[in-house]
Amino acid sequence: DAGVIQSPRHEVTEMGQEVTLRCKPISGHDYLFWYRQTMMRGLELLIYFNNNVPIDDSGMPEDRFSAKMPNASFSTLKIQPSEPRDSAVYFCASSPPGLAGGTDTQYFGPGTRLTVL
Amino acid sequence: KQEVTQIPAALSVPEGENLVLNCSFTDSAIYNLQWFRQDPGKGLTSLLLIQSSQREQTSGRLNASLDKSSGRSTLYIAASQPGDSATYLCAVLHSGAGSYQLTFGKGTKLSVIP
Repeated sequence: DAGVIQSPRHEVTEMGQEVTLRCKPISGHDYLFWYRQTMMRGLELLIYFNNNVPIDDSGMPEDRFSAKMPNASFSTLKIQPSEPRDSAVYFCASSPPGLAGGTDTQYFGPGTRLTVL
Repeated sequence: KQEVTQIPAALSVPEGENLVLNCSFTDSAIYNLQWFRQDPGKGLTSLLLIQSSQREQTSGRLNASLDKSSGRSTLYIAASQPGDSATYLCAVLHSGAGSYQLTFGKGTKLSVIP
């Protein structure tokens, strides 16, 4: 298996522009997670899906952020409009069904490094 | 609110030394605890997962222990090698707002000097 695939790997944009990050989870995994990593705050969960349905989006910082999962093999995280404080590395992870739902290990993609100027 | 703390933030050791990384968490109501490795510019790789009912897990030169009641875990690395240089993150899976959440520590950056 190719693992979790994220694109683009790097994104540089100007403040106010729309940014779309993409993720393809591992086939057969029914949990998908979006994280953000910064030096100040470390890794933070933004949102996660189970069977394409958003379960917990309490970590989404504000309305400028939105995430979708139209099918089992694709998810997007969109920021509109982007701001310099959104600069971070965004990770997508997926997990197979666990005994208590999401209790199995998570497999991380390589991340997208976003820089907003 | 669950908080995960890792000490030290950075550690430098000579090759061949045994070492221990520490992780503590504030709420003992967890489902499992995981140790991840992160290499620069890369994603996270799961090293060991300890279920809440377990006390330890071993994989090769790595041994992770869990004391849920005291909110502590350690990652023991035997006979360290330069290839072990990376950032090691601890994460706990717990309930939050009616769903499951994985809360991470900020990591310990390990440098193994040849």
